[in-house]
Amino acid sequence: AQTVTQSQPEMSVQEAETVTLSCTYDTSESDYYLFWYKQPPSRQMILVIRQEAYKQQNATENRFSVNFQKAAKSFSLKISDSQLGDAAMYFCAYRSGRGGSEKLVFGKGTKLTVNP
Amino acid sequence: EPEVTQTPSHQVTQMGQEVILRCVPISNHLYFYWYRQILGQKVEFLVSFYNNEISEKSEIFDDQFSVERPDGSNFTLKIRSTKLEDSAMYFCASSEGLAGDFGPGTRLLVL
Repeated sequence: AQTVTQSQPEMSVQEAETVTLSCTYDTSESDYYLFWYKQPPSRQMILVIRQEAYKQQNATENRFSVNFQKAAKSFSLKISDSQLGDAAMYFCAYRSGRGGSEKLVFGKGTKLTVNP
Repeated sequence: EPEVTQTPSHQVTQMGQEVILRCVPISNHLYFYWYRQILGQKVEFLVSFYNNEISEKSEIFDDQFSVERPDGSNFTLKIRSTKLEDSAMYFCASSEGLAGDFGPGTRLLVL
């Protein structure tokens, strides 16, 4: 079974600075997808960014980018120019590329605090 | 922008009672899911639903749980006889096949 590990229970960053959240995963599959979700205090789950394993290019969405290292099974999230609204729990998630298994497997999350 | 909706937002029930959590997925999505998150813990997969049947379920999704798509828009999760440990946030999600668009969740408290 696939597992997702987020080794940083909590992180903090100064407003306008850059922070990187770590995620590693374990799988024997070659086709899969990786995601970062943001969960603010409202507890809504918001998709931040997605990476297809077959793509070598790292995904980018505005101030959010990933560092996808397939061989190392690492998928970190970089937040540039951090804003107060970025404060939230961040969950890394894995989805198999195998048909019939569309569920997301989540890590335990990293709580990000943004200091003014 | 279309979004997944869930009702109720909060539900308080007595242990042993039945609850039904409701979701309206995004209309052109084909895959539907239920996840739960016990307070302070990670989000856990319960069940996925495709083509009017369960496509995958977790060990958590035992006989006391059931899902249904009673019409073309609603997707429900029923817990037949609630236990204290069922207290959690329940998220519905839908997708066209890759990520999931999550609803705002239903906070269930079992007393």
